[in-house]
Amino acid sequence: DAGITQSPRHKVTETGTPVTLRCHQTENHRYMYWYRQDPGHGLRLIHYSYGVKDTDKGEVSDGYSVSRSKTEDFLLTLESATSSQTSVYFCAISAVAGGGYNEQFFGPGTRLTVL
Amino acid sequence: GDSVTQMEGPVTLSEEAFLTINCTYTATGYPSLFWYVQYPGEGLQLLLKATKADDKGSNKGFEATYRKETTSFHLEKGSVQVSDSAVYFCALSEGTGNQFYFGTGTSLTVIP
Repeated sequence: DAGITQSPRHKVTETGTPVTLRCHQTENHRYMYWYRQDPGHGLRLIHYSYGVKDTDKGEVSDGYSVSRSKTEDFLLTLESATSSQTSVYFCAISAVAGGGYNEQFFGPGTRLTVL
Repeated sequence: GDSVTQMEGPVTLSEEAFLTINCTYTATGYPSLFWYVQYPGEGLQLLLKATKADDKGSNKGFEATYRKETTSFHLEKGSVQVSDSAVYFCALSEGTGNQFYFGTGTSLTVIP
């Protein structure tokens, strides 16, 4: 357990509204990630962070922004939600495991429905 | 670029059957390879990993061997149980890097 929590766990919102999802970790890991999971697409990287205020885009970043003002929190914002952003969102961290190699650990997910 | 291709699902097996889920990869360097499992309603959990060629990762009766010559990391289990019903993801990361690449997932249902 890498101490990752996500909030909210479920959210229903309407098209055009802004939505912010929060990922919180308790172990000061430098790297944090946001993925979305959709049938037929597996996991797709939205954005990631490699430190406070250091973020970069993933393969499906359009329509999403992120912020990381503290090591422990990584926020994902949908500026104006669309139905195509209905998905399950996972936060992850990267941690060094035995042998010096990195492993990813995932939060429990947030199910977002945009009506 | 780096990528992972895994067997399309869904896969349905009877209890105690043999399981193979195929995974092949493309990487420019020397990746670490992973299998993750996702139970219904949960996040992904690391199932096993291998960090160099010919390594075998194993956990909970599952095994996968890192085959550099065939760029493969197939997941196997000799006798599946109903509790193994889940989605399985193959993934890689380049060496000690922090970029991870996932396959599309394979859904497994085990029936009694």
